Amino acid sequence: KQEVTQIPAALSVPEGENLVLNCSFTDSAIYNLQWFRQDPGKGLTSLLLIQSSQREQTSGRLNASLDKSSGRSTLYIAASQPGDSATYLCAVGGGSQGNLIFGKGTKLSVKP
Amino acid sequence: NAGVMQNPRHLVRRRGQEARLRCSPMKGHSHVYWYRQLPEEGLKFMVYLQKENIIDESGMPKERFSAEFPKEGPSILRIQQVVRGDSAAYFCASSPVLDSGGYTFGSGTRLTVV
Repeated sequence: KQEVTQIPAALSVPEGENLVLNCSFTDSAIYNLQWFRQDPGKGLTSLLLIQSSQREQTSGRLNASLDKSSGRSTLYIAASQPGDSATYLCAVGGGSQGNLIFGKGTKLSVKP
Repeated sequence: NAGVMQNPRHLVRRRGQEARLRCSPMKGHSHVYWYRQLPEEGLKFMVYLQKENIIDESGMPKERFSAEFPKEGPSILRIQQVVRGDSAAYFCASSPVLDSGGYTFGSGTRLTVV
């Protein structure tokens, strides 16, 4: 049974810092991995999607890596801003039925 | 091009009543997924549907919960005889094809059972 763990559960950093969020999964037979952002009381916004054949994806100040063999993914945020404050969710897709398995998220707070 | 539309945004029901949550997928998306987010918990998969078919309902509670995606109209998640433990945020996502990874989520329906 696939399990997804995100560490740390919460993180507070000053504005301008580079930071890394971690995601680990127990079954390396994944189809893809997606990082989402969730603002309080809101839905999920997809940030980056990494297919199983890829090792990383980049979008602006965000970079996500995937190491299937070790069951890990990282989300790197460069030059953090207060507007980056949100909960970041990692989800893996098993492929067979289309559903995603989510971690519990990392709650990020960027202080001005 | 509207995204995934869920309504209502907030729903309050008394114990024992029925709750109906609606989800209209993005235009061109034929796959719909429902997830539930309990307080302080991660999102849990409930059910995956295509038009007129339930493909995977392995995450649905065995009783009181049902889902449909009719040929015409939105997908409906129905909870009968709600209990306080059903209070959660219910999210719908859609994708154009299976395993494309291109999931788009709605803003969710926050159900409160009093």
